[in-house]
Amino acid sequence: GAVVSQHPSWVICKSGTSVKIECRSLDFQATTMFWYRQFPKQSLMLMATSNEGSKATYEQGVEKDKFLINHASLTLSTLTVTSAHPEDSSFYICSGGTADRYTFGSGTRLTVV
Amino acid sequence: GESVGLHLPTLSVQEGDNSIINCAYSNSASDYFIWYKQESGKGPQFIIDIRSNMDKRQGQRVTVLLNKTVKHLSLQIAATQPGDSAVYFCAERDDKIIFGKGTRLHILP
Repeated sequence: GAVVSQHPSWVICKSGTSVKIECRSLDFQATTMFWYRQFPKQSLMLMATSNEGSKATYEQGVEKDKFLINHASLTLSTLTVTSAHPEDSSFYICSGGTADRYTFGSGTRLTVV
Repeated sequence: GESVGLHLPTLSVQEGDNSIINCAYSNSASDYFIWYKQESGKGPQFIIDIRSNMDKRQGQRVTVLLNKTVKHLSLQIAATQPGDSAVYFCAERDDKIIFGKGTRLHILP
């Protein structure tokens, strides 16, 4: 149970463009999902908590206008990296689940050129 | 800030030996800890968890030990196999999951 599907698995975009990453809960209703960013050889850093039907909660230092989160349904949360720059290149991972167990998506490798 | 950390960034273990990965945490109020395994290019996979009312929990080939006195937990992997090669994270969960720095486990043939 608690299967999370993340798409795309990788994306390359030009500087200044926006990229949307989707995270779907396949077998549960996700009122809350989490978005993480992971730079090479580093740990996962929590960016924001996505709340269904309301505004996301961002961690300190994460620009809410740059990383737009939408959680309009109980099965889909999206992260849009706006006006992407090379320093936004990273591995983005979503997570969701039930009270007993959170699982993670397979991640999205974003490369901004 | 990050409340969960790891002692060693890399651990090399002979195939067949036992692996022990350590983790320290700073928040004495923490009551739920999780170990994750992350293979290259993939999301973290749940390995085993433990709550603060326990000192030890065992799974298949894995054991987690929690020492609340010194705020330390460890993951023991028995009979380490090539497929165990990955980065291992300890994490603390309350309303969200906060990850420690990670230890890369390298298996020697």
